[in-house]
Amino acid sequence: DAKTTQPPSMDCAEGRAANLPCNHSTISGNEYVYWYRQIHSQGPQYIIHGLKNNETNEMASLIITEDRKSSTLILPHATLRDTAVYYCIVRRYNFNKFYFGSGTKLNVKP
Amino acid sequence: GAVVSQHPSWVICKSGTSVKIECRSLDFQATTMFWYRQFPKQSLMLMATSNEGSKATYEQGVEKDKFLINHASLTLSTLTVTSAHPEDSSFYICSARDNPGDQPQHFGDGTRLSIL
Repeated sequence: DAKTTQPPSMDCAEGRAANLPCNHSTISGNEYVYWYRQIHSQGPQYIIHGLKNNETNEMASLIITEDRKSSTLILPHATLRDTAVYYCIVRRYNFNKFYFGSGTKLNVKP
Repeated sequence: GAVVSQHPSWVICKSGTSVKIECRSLDFQATTMFWYRQFPKQSLMLMATSNEGSKATYEQGVEKDKFLINHASLTLSTLTVTSAHPEDSSFYICSARDNPGDQPQHFGDGTRLSIL
């Protein structure tokens, strides 16, 4: 599976949009982009995933560039409870395993 | 939505004992479950893939005799840390997926294992 690169940490003001980037320049055509987050001492929580179209759900939006080499997770109105480590994972269709990278520690500040 | 439950959430035991951790899919059937381990301030490391009715497959470097996995039903996988030592202290997390294709994995809340 393609490797992902994320910044180690980011800050965001409460109430503002948090935009978390992920680089996956070696992604192939049948690989999906998944986003999870992990709040301290809990299991990862699924946020959203997509293949090539932008996706939105009640938690976030996922913007994938046209060449699919990078993506951005958008939390539209960050709250203090969104402070967590966010992981971007690339996995091919119908493949079982997820391999986690180092993720981005998002700090939402009042 | 899909819920994965782990038990216990926290366990402390003496060195040399064996510890069993359960992972259950509560509202779906999972032919495949996964076990991860996470050390403080590090990312999750995939240990093994648990397959219902067959042997688990282990990632490179993971001792299969140390970490015994049993997946006896479509809703339950167990991880047994045998003859545990302090270096086995870690956060163990399981996950499961209900359908193939592009569906995401769902994770349990993890088990904090401390070996004295």
